[in-house]
Amino acid sequence: GIQVEQSPPDLILQEGANSTLRCNFSDSVNNLQWFHQNPWGQLINLFYIPSGTKQNGRLSATTVATERYSLLYISSSQTTDSGVYFCAVLTQGGSEKLVFGKGTKLTVNP
Amino acid sequence: KAGVTQTPRYLIKTRGQQVTLSCSPISGHRSVSWYQQTPGQGLQFLFEYFSETQRNKGNFPGRFSGRQFSNSRSEMNVSTLELGDSALYLCASSFGPNYGYTFGSGTRLTVV
Repeated sequence: GIQVEQSPPDLILQEGANSTLRCNFSDSVNNLQWFHQNPWGQLINLFYIPSGTKQNGRLSATTVATERYSLLYISSSQTTDSGVYFCAVLTQGGSEKLVFGKGTKLTVNP
Repeated sequence: KAGVTQTPRYLIKTRGQQVTLSCSPISGHRSVSWYQQTPGQGLQFLFEYFSETQRNKGNFPGRFSGRQFSNSRSEMNVSTLELGDSALYLCASSFGPNYGYTFGSGTRLTVV
């Protein structure tokens, strides 16, 4: 099956710093989403981005489907950005299940 | 509009018991899928329902089952609970594969 790898696994930043999270996937995908898991466990949808670039406030994401990777950019990080960020993909022509990476744990210190 | 609603939020059960978790999708979403999250295995797909039909099933034992009702609400059932079933169970709904998935807050199950 498709493999999804996220890097780095852990990231510690000072408030105000910028960061880039990466997601590599091993096969063509129909759907790619970035999620932020809050301390209570809920997965908050950040971007639905099978290709191209999107921006939402301090967050932006780019997916280069032909090269099988996606990037999540966080600018001017805040302590509330702390948590685990997951990339999840839906394979083409296959079962409709999201395959998740192991996540990047982000800690933003004040 | 209302999001995906999962009940209950927390549950403590004894080994050997069974449990039923509920998920109400976003209005208009006909696809409902379930995921299990554990520290060791991460997020794993359990099953997916569309219009009351199970379309896909993950690699879990038969003790894990589910169903979807005509109003798209879904339930999952775990029988003969084991300690290893302790996990966060997440439900997601979607219009379909070319749309994003929205997750509920999850049910945190503890088996003692």
